[in-house]
Amino acid sequence: DAKTTQPTSMDCAEGRAANLPCNHSTISGNEYVYWYRQIHSQGPQYIIHGLKNNETNEMASLIITEDRKSSTLILPHATLRDTAVYYCISHSGYSSASKIIFGSGTRLSIRP
Amino acid sequence: DAGVTQSPTHLIKTRGQQVTLRCSPKSGHDTVSWYQQALGQGPQFIFQYYEEEERQRGNFPDRFSGHQFPNYSSELNVNALLLGDSALYLCASSQDQSRQYFGPGTRLTVT
Repeated sequence: DAKTTQPTSMDCAEGRAANLPCNHSTISGNEYVYWYRQIHSQGPQYIIHGLKNNETNEMASLIITEDRKSSTLILPHATLRDTAVYYCISHSGYSSASKIIFGSGTRLSIRP
Repeated sequence: DAGVTQSPTHLIKTRGQQVTLRCSPKSGHDTVSWYQQALGQGPQFIFQYYEEEERQRGNFPDRFSGHQFPNYSSELNVNALLLGDSALYLCASSQDQSRQYFGPGTRLTVT
C-alpha cells in the first residue's frame, strides 16, 4: 500500500476554505485515496474518497491531480468544529485484503 | 441503527496480564478491522477479519490475536501485556469500498 505524506499542522480562519494537501507519489492504479478526520478522543470519521475524478459531498471536496500523485481535501467554509487531525490514506478498498496504513495526519486548527 | 460499538470504554491492567476487547460492527457490515493508536500517533493497523478468518495483518507480534464470530462481532486479545501496549484500541467495520466506520475505542492502560 502506498505511503502518504501530509504537513504536520495547518491553521485556517473560520469561514474560509481549508485546503489540506496530501502526497501519495507511489500510489498504484487500483488504490483509492481516502480522507478521515479524528476529533480529540473520538474514533476517526470518514470524510470522502476518490480514485481518479474529483469528488464532492456534503462535508468536503477532494481534488486529485491527473497523475494521482497528490490530492487536496477542501473544507469550503471551515468552522471551529472542523478542528481535528485529518488523515489521508490510500489503499485498494476495504473489500480486498489490503493493509490500511495511517500516517501521522495533519492537525488542523481553526481560528475564530 | 446502532453504529460500531466497543467494550469496555476504559480498562486498566497490570504488566503480564491478558486482556480481551470486544467490538460489534455496524449492522450489515461483515468486515472488522482493529487498530492501535498510541498517544499523539495515527492509528496502526493490527489485523482485519472477514468471514471469521484473519484476512490481513499488520506488524504486530503474536501476542495480539483476534476472533470473529458468526454474527460478525469480533474480539481482540492481547497476552503478556507490556507497558507499551497502553493505547486507544479502535475497531472499524466495513462492507464495501465506500468507507470504514470506527467505534469510539477502548482506552487500555497497562501499569
